[in-house]
Amino acid sequence: AQSVTQLDSQVPVFEEAPVELRCNYSSSVSVYLFWYVQYPNQGLQLLLKYLSGSTLVKGINGFEAEFNKSQTSFHLRKPSVHISDTAEYFCAVRRSGYSTLTFGKGTMLLVSP
Amino acid sequence: DAGVIQSPRHEVTEMGQEVTLRCKPISGHNSLFWYRQTMMRGLELLIYFNNNVPIDDSGMPEDRFSAKMPNASFSTLKIQPSEPRDSAVYFCASSASVGSGGSNTGELFFGEGSRLTVL
Repeated sequence: AQSVTQLDSQVPVFEEAPVELRCNYSSSVSVYLFWYVQYPNQGLQLLLKYLSGSTLVKGINGFEAEFNKSQTSFHLRKPSVHISDTAEYFCAVRRSGYSTLTFGKGTMLLVSP
Repeated sequence: DAGVIQSPRHEVTEMGQEVTLRCKPISGHNSLFWYRQTMMRGLELLIYFNNNVPIDDSGMPEDRFSAKMPNASFSTLKIQPSEPRDSAVYFCASSASVGSGGSNTGELFFGEGSRLTVL
């Protein structure tokens, strides 16, 4: 079975600073990787996904993530955050051939002026 | 496209009462998932359906919980009787089946959630 570890439950950062949200997964087979964002009182929205090909994936709102197979990581980055990026971010993994996603516990990104 | 539609958005009930949560998936999607979100446990998969058939219900906490999908456009999650520890946000999500061709990647599309409070 696969699992997802988001190492930080909360990441405080100042506006316009860079940010990295960490995600590690464990699986012995091929996986697909996703980052979702959840704004207060809303459902989850897809930020980006890695399926195959280039290990650097660009998503919406200026976010990107890099798949690192040797380190089993899929860290999310943004070079300059805005106040509006304040939200909870979830990393998820889907095993090849399976329908279900396994989610990490989430990382709360807190952007202050 | 209207997206995944859940109702009610908020429900406050008393312990012992029956609760029914509803979900309308995106048209054309044939997989449907029910998740529960709490502060302590994060997002937990309760059950998922493929082509209206329950495939994996191992996440359903206990017999008080039941889910149905009578047709491709409607699903319910029922709790009877409800308990305070059931208080959570319940999400429904849908996706096109993995491997059904095109650009499908198994990406889940989530509803806005139903926030349940059991007093």
